[in-house]
Formats: sequence, structure tokens, C-alpha cells
Amino acid sequence: AQKVTQAQTEISVVEKEDVTLDCVYETRDTTYYLFWYKQPPSGELVFLIRRNSFDEQNEISGRYSWNFQKSTSSFNFTITASQVVDSAVYFCALSGAGNQFYFGTGTSLTVIP
Amino acid sequence: DVKVTQSSRYLVKRTGEKVFLECVQDMDHENMFWYRQDPGLGLRLIYFSYDVKMKEKGDIPEGYSVSREKKERFSLILESASTNQTSMYLCASSLETSGAFTDTQYFGPGTRLTVL
Repeated sequence: AQKVTQAQTEISVVEKEDVTLDCVYETRDTTYYLFWYKQPPSGELVFLIRRNSFDEQNEISGRYSWNFQKSTSSFNFTITASQVVDSAVYFCALSGAGNQFYFGTGTSLTVIP
Repeated sequence: DVKVTQSSRYLVKRTGEKVFLECVQDMDHENMFWYRQDPGLGLRLIYFSYDVKMKEKGDIPEGYSVSREKKERFSLILESASTNQTSMYLCASSLETSGAFTDTQYFGPGTRLTVL
């Protein structure tokens, strides 16, 4: 079975703090893809990153970074020096061999000014 | 940039009405998807289409149908709206041509449907 778990339902941080959003996945596929999306209050899901299972290199994009560890089946997302505009719901997702795109239930991040 | 648009941001309908939700993408993507999003349940796939006139059921197709007559347009139809179909509806598209859900899905702004 394929599954994505985002155990943190809600997180609040004060502006400029760093915050890590956890994502743990389950899959039996050897080839799979992991994604992160941001959903601001406006409602649209904004694509942030796609990573395939053969690429375990960490990625950094500005204040955003992602830590992919196959050994722990995790794909965690860190925001450095958080800003109010980072307030949103963040979804981790998994796709593999089948016709399915598995979303986690999301983590609601509130950045307090 | 990929652009996925949905016909309405907010929609209010009455029980029993036929409802059409329209989605258009401008990037020549092969695949299009309809999801609904409900608090505590996350995103659930209703239907997807990998080609014109082709459709596949997702996890929760009951009470819905879809139509894809043109590559860029994917319509979700509620034949007889019910109150339990009050939800946020999200359309997405992706380029992937192999049929697998491996490519990035790009989402529209969503339609918040209320059925009274």
C-alpha cells in the first residue's frame, strides 16, 4: 500500500524562525516520485518540488530546502527565516507505478509577525 | 508558465440541480484531473483523463461524471447535486504521456461549491 503521513496538523512559528515540516511515506515501488505543494489561503495548490526515488541529494531553493532520506522514508521540508507569506497549508504527495497520486493530509503553517 | 483555469471561484446551487464545473489548461497537457478537498480528508481523486474522450474513475466517482471533448478542457458534472457534494473542487493537469501519475500536476485556483 502507498501512503503519505504528515503527522503535524498545525504548526505556529514566530517570523524569522526556521521550521521543518515532516513527511513520511510508504511504498513498495522502487521507482517513485515525491512532491511538495503549498496551498495559501487563496486555495490554489502551488507546486514546490518534485523528486524521484533515485535522487537523494538534498535540495535548496532560496529559503526552502528539502531533505530526502530513503532509509527513513522521509522527505522533510524546511523553511529558513520564515515570513508571514509562508503561512499556508503544505502538502506532501507520492506517486509510483499505479494510477494514483497520494496526498498527505497537509500541515497548516502559521507564521506570526 | 502552466496555466490552469476554472470557470468559477465560488458557486452556489440547489439540491437536485445539474452542475457543470469547467477546467481549461493552456499547456497542451495530456492528463487532466478532478479532485475534491474536504477538511480532515485531504484531496481525493474523482476522475482523471489521459486523452480526449478518455476517462478513468478515481477514488470517489459516485455522483459525478466527466467530459473531455477537447484536449485543453475537462468538465466535471454533478448530475443531481446533493448537499454532501458541498466541497472545494480542484482541477489539475500534467504532461505525462505514459499513463502513470509521475509527472508534476499543476492545479487551478479551485471552485468552492455550496449545495443548499
